[in-house]
Amino acid sequence: GQQLNQSPQSMFIQEGEDVSMNCTSSSIFNTWLWYKQDPGEGPVLLIALYKAGELTSNGRLTAQFGITRKDSFLNISASIPSDVGIYFCAGQLRDNYGQNFVFGPGTRLSVLP
Amino acid sequence: SQTIHQWPATLVQPVGSPLSLECTVEGTSNPNLYWYRQAAGRGLQLLFYSVGIGQISSEVPQNLSASRPQDRQFILSSKKLLLSDSGFYLCAWSIGVTPTGQPQHFGDGTRLSIL
Repeated sequence: GQQLNQSPQSMFIQEGEDVSMNCTSSSIFNTWLWYKQDPGEGPVLLIALYKAGELTSNGRLTAQFGITRKDSFLNISASIPSDVGIYFCAGQLRDNYGQNFVFGPGTRLSVLP
Repeated sequence: SQTIHQWPATLVQPVGSPLSLECTVEGTSNPNLYWYRQAAGRGLQLLFYSVGIGQISSEVPQNLSASRPQDRQFILSSKKLLLSDSGFYLCAWSIGVTPTGQPQHFGDGTRLSIL
């Protein structure tokens, strides 16, 4: 089946640093989604991307839908302690009416004060 | 606005006991509904999804089952729990039939521990 790869698997950064993570696949997706999960809670949607090449921001977060439709990246600028968590990417398959999302394994972010 | 409710938040059950987790969505009609399981520190594993009342698709063979008795209600069940059923269970919904992508929105999860 379809799989998503996320890198890095985990990262430790200093507060104030910028963060970059990406998500790749061998399959084409027509929607890319980025979620953040805090410990013991459900994932929360950060950014949704619907068009190839689309660049969308949400506060300090910026995500892009890759031109090939097979990748996406998420950047966090000026990280703060509350950015700690697991970041998941998800792709929705082409010609699909919303019932089939593929999730990456996640990138675990730790922010050091 | 739409909201999703899951309960219970935590559950401790002995091996071999039955299970029933419930999820309801408010503020939307005919949503797609999903059950995921997440092992500690791992990604999300899709268990079941439903595009309508009584319509259930299973992604992984297991001793769990799902039912959708009402449009906005999704139930995860088991007749006899196994130790391997421990994990964090998440319910999610997305807008129903649409030709464009729509994101999923998750509940707060149920942490299930099997003793």
